[in-house]
Amino acid sequence: QQQVKQSPQSLIVQKGGISIINCAYENTAFDYFPWYQQFPGKGPALLIAIRPDVSEKKEGRFTISFNKSAKQFSLHIMDSQPGDSATYFCAAKGEETSGSRLTFGEGTQLTVNP
Amino acid sequence: EPEVTQTPSHQVTQMGQEVILRCVPISNHLYFYWYRQILGQKVEFLVSFYNNEISEKSEIFDDQFSVERPDGSNFTLKIRSTKLEDSAMYFCASSSSLITEAFFGQGTRLTVV
Repeated sequence: QQQVKQSPQSLIVQKGGISIINCAYENTAFDYFPWYQQFPGKGPALLIAIRPDVSEKKEGRFTISFNKSAKQFSLHIMDSQPGDSATYFCAAKGEETSGSRLTFGEGTQLTVNP
Repeated sequence: EPEVTQTPSHQVTQMGQEVILRCVPISNHLYFYWYRQILGQKVEFLVSFYNNEISEKSEIFDDQFSVERPDGSNFTLKIRSTKLEDSAMYFCASSSSLITEAFFGQGTRLTVV
């Protein structure tokens, strides 16, 4: 019940295209859903995060869509660029009553071709 | 911009040896974490630390592991009697509270031979 399932495992997109990565969770105590971007040899860096009181959050070219009833959330990268090529992890966390750990998805390796 | 720093960046150790991975969290943060990432796999939570004690730990964090904040700036992960399967990237992270973003360090790549 602590798992976060992420798909696809890898994604290849042409420059200018839309990249879409999906995640699903089971634990209804999760109420913070961040996306992390990781470049080779680096630590995960927070990209964008959402709480379940909203269905969508947009920051620049990055948008999270959140479906509370389906327990799913997704990352959309508009106008994808070669510099976006990285591994993306969704994650989930409960708030104070549910512990402090982030539970990560399996990761999606995104390649944006020029 | 403040950042979490980890040393060393790469550590090679013999099986059965003890290693200490070091982290300097962001200075005004109160919550500290260790995560592990086996090559090609997802990031896994190990332990969280607050107010000089462990606040939460995962099933991975058994008696082989320990954490310590030996002074006001460092946060360490000790792995006793290392095994081949301990080879992974270890990330330290810190946050100012339980509900704010956790910032990750660059990681220490541990290779057990």
